[in-house]
Amino acid sequence: EPEVTQTPSHQVTQMGQEVILRCVPISNHLYFYWYRQILGQKVEFLVSFYNNEISEKSEIFDDQFSVERPDGSNFTLKIRSTKLEDSAMYFCASSVWAGEKSYEQYFGPGTRLTVT
Amino acid sequence: AQKVTQAQTEISVVEKEDVTLDCVYETRDTTYYLFWYKQPPSGELVFLIRRNSFDEQNEISGRYSWNFQKSTSSFNFTITASQVVDSAVYFCALIRAYSGAGSYQLTFGKGTKLSVIP
Repeated sequence: EPEVTQTPSHQVTQMGQEVILRCVPISNHLYFYWYRQILGQKVEFLVSFYNNEISEKSEIFDDQFSVERPDGSNFTLKIRSTKLEDSAMYFCASSVWAGEKSYEQYFGPGTRLTVT
Repeated sequence: AQKVTQAQTEISVVEKEDVTLDCVYETRDTTYYLFWYKQPPSGELVFLIRRNSFDEQNEISGRYSWNFQKSTSSFNFTITASQVVDSAVYFCALIRAYSGAGSYQLTFGKGTKLSVIP
């Protein structure tokens, strides 16, 4: 069964450093998402991406964040200058383009980002 | 604004007991979708079910069943004959429906941690 993959599974970085989190969505999916989950808290929406542009973003997704689809398979989240409060689990998700199933988002296993 | 409330923070049951996880939502939209996701200790989010706001029929899948009541804005999840492998955090979530292709932002509840004791 196709699945969303994410790398790395765990990233440790120092405050102020740039990090890039990588995701490979399910191959026939056209909508891509990033969510984050601070330890012990709920999952929060960051951004959605369709047709090579951001469709929607939350207040959390400020200028320090950016997303990109550098090729036909990868979807990345970049944090330019990490802060301690960016420490969280980051989930990538994807969904098909249209129909009822477009509402079903399939999540990757997550990348745990630790900022020290 | 949309909101999902899972009032039960943690629940512990003994294996083979039935357990119901509560979910109450708020939305001004007339068309929306409700979801349950499972997050096992390994951390991934596993999709369990999607329910359209127009479809109030209850659904059963093996030991899992879902009760959607629009009148009380609730979408509760029952596990029958619980097993240790059911131990996880369960999240209820909501999406507003768009008439055409669009971006769909999931709003999650805070989750209920279920521990099934052998």
